[in-house]
Amino acid sequence: GIQVEQSPPDLILQEGANSTLRCNFSDSVNNLQWFHQNPWGQLINLFYIPSGTKQNGRLSATTVATERYSLLYISSSQTTDSGVYFCAVETQGGSEKLVFGKGTKLTVNP
Amino acid sequence: GAGVSQSPRYKVAKRGQDVALRCDPISGHVSLFWYQQALGQGPEFLTYFQNEAQLDKSGLPSDRFFAERPEGSVSTLKIQRTQQEDSAVYLCASSRFGTGRTYEQYFGPGTRLTVT
Repeated sequence: GIQVEQSPPDLILQEGANSTLRCNFSDSVNNLQWFHQNPWGQLINLFYIPSGTKQNGRLSATTVATERYSLLYISSSQTTDSGVYFCAVETQGGSEKLVFGKGTKLTVNP
Repeated sequence: GAGVSQSPRYKVAKRGQDVALRCDPISGHVSLFWYQQALGQGPEFLTYFQNEAQLDKSGLPSDRFFAERPEGSVSTLKIQRTQQEDSAVYLCASSRFGTGRTYEQYFGPGTRLTVT
């Protein structure tokens, strides 16, 4: 099956710093989503981005489908950005299920 | 509108007991998914419904796991004779459906199952 690799696994930042999270996947995909899992376990949708670039406030994402990777940019990080960020993909030709990476755990210190 | 809801939020079961977990998807969403998330891991797919039809159950770990969605709305995940390895967070997600394209999935808050 498809492999989804996220890097780095852990990231510690000072408030105000910028960061880039990466997601590599091993096969063509129909769908790619970025999620933030907050400390209470809720998965919050950040981006639905099978290709191209999107921005939402301090967050932006880019997916280069032909090269099988996606990047999530967080600018001017805040303590509330802490949590685990997951990339998930839906493969072509299969059911609509999402395959998740192992996540990047982000800690933003004040 | 309202998001995906799940109940109960927490469940403690003694080994060998049966449990039933409920999911209420977003109104009008055709597709419904169940995922299992072990501690420190990403969610893993269990099963998928389109309306009341269970189209993919390839992720169910054993025949002790059973899911249904009889009227194409609310879904129940049932685990029979629970084992300690079943302890995890069970997440439900729903999405719209359209021929020829896919839509983003929205997740509920999960049910944390602890088997003692």
